[in-house]
Amino acid sequence: DTGVSQNPRHKITKRGQNVTFRCDPISEHNRLYWYRQTLGQGPEFLTYFQNEAQLEKSRLLSDRFSAERPKGSFSTLEIQRTEQGDSAMYLCASCLAGGSDEQFFGPGTRLTVL
Amino acid sequence: DAKTTQPPSMDCAEGRAANLPCNHSTISGNEYVYWYRQIHSQGPQYIIHGLKNNETNEMASLIITEDRKSSTLILPHATLRDTAVYYCIVRADLEYGNKLVFGAGTILRVKS
Repeated sequence: DTGVSQNPRHKITKRGQNVTFRCDPISEHNRLYWYRQTLGQGPEFLTYFQNEAQLEKSRLLSDRFSAERPKGSFSTLEIQRTEQGDSAMYLCASCLAGGSDEQFFGPGTRLTVL
Repeated sequence: DAKTTQPPSMDCAEGRAANLPCNHSTISGNEYVYWYRQIHSQGPQYIIHGLKNNETNEMASLIITEDRKSSTLILPHATLRDTAVYYCIVRADLEYGNKLVFGAGTILRVKS
């Protein structure tokens, strides 16, 4: 257990539905990252926050995806109008800017879009 | 960020040293070498990182060549629990936001 939690761990949804995932980082960590991982590939960066500010978004993050970190603590990632291509593991990581530079990853949320 | 090249898979006998190579011939002077691993069904786990000097911690050793174009991660006494995908990542320092750019990694299978 790294101290980063993600909920739910698994989500099965039908195409066209909206889904929301939550990440709770290590409490003192001010940076929070979202990555996506498909089978057989390494994780791909989606976006990151420093405190409540979203500082970078990958071009992978289409307009159907939105992420928030309203109080600089937990974060949510919402996917609207899900597509089968959204099926993946969604990973959250956190770290302390200026700290040891080690990112701590959560266990991920596995999304299956039918 | 510089690109890395790793072998797709390697086998290692339990109790022996596992030496995982990584080529990063286009690495820049301010880029660090990071290693993470991902055990099946878990998130990636940080192992070690370095700039130009060799590094050692409780998990592994990192050997970086003098020209910094390649490195080797050494697990001194591999166990079955070390079976995982190992990712070598090169990345500039903190002001670039710390995002990690993963490749496909090396699947290490430790066998009894």
